[in-house]
Amino acid sequence: DTEVTQTPKHLVMGMTNKKSLKCEQHMGHRAMYWYKQKAKKPPELMFVYSYEKLSINESVPSRFSPECPNSSLLNLHLHALQPEDSALYLCASSRIQGISYEQYFGPGTRLTVT
Amino acid sequence: SQELEQSPQSLIVQEGKNLTINCTSSKTLYGLYWYKQKYGEGLIFLMMLQKGGEEKSHEKITAKLDEKKQQSSLHITASQPSHAGIYLCGAERQGGSEKLVFGKGTKLTVNP
Repeated sequence: DTEVTQTPKHLVMGMTNKKSLKCEQHMGHRAMYWYKQKAKKPPELMFVYSYEKLSINESVPSRFSPECPNSSLLNLHLHALQPEDSALYLCASSRIQGISYEQYFGPGTRLTVT
Repeated sequence: SQELEQSPQSLIVQEGKNLTINCTSSKTLYGLYWYKQKYGEGLIFLMMLQKGGEEKSHEKITAKLDEKKQQSSLHITASQPSHAGIYLCGAERQGGSEKLVFGKGTKLTVNP
């Protein structure tokens, strides 16, 4: 099983809402990633978790709050988002953190902030 | 920081034709990834190249890494409509940082 799943597929939320994105993998990978991708742009790294600990935070605003409850799950909690946060949010995982290990991506969550 | 320039930005070919996409780095390449993305979907891992001169193939897709030129090329032979999508190259942002950055992508259209 080389699949990374993400839910929901689409999400529309108001600026005062609180919502969460979920990512799951059962490949035994110990590194998990959140990326943000705006239309016609490449993905940009947001967070990296390595062995369930936050390893990299790319200076992401605090209205995005990641959480890694166990080695298979990665959440992204959203609160008080802005319309410019509308994007495709991609989750990825790799065997361990490191550039030598290919990252497997999920299908993404299309987020629209109204 | 690592800058990756992809060319061309978009490409339209007739089914059956061969094509090449290039990815050029402003810094030394230690590892280079190729991904394919359908619009609005996740990235599909194609290949990873780590050594200068390395060449890998999968089905009709071949990728090479030229370390001296700080460049990688992706070649598709006898293209099919299923090859259509956006091809992204990715590389380490800077030595030892373990952060993957991507080029802006090449949009490939294959006309039947």
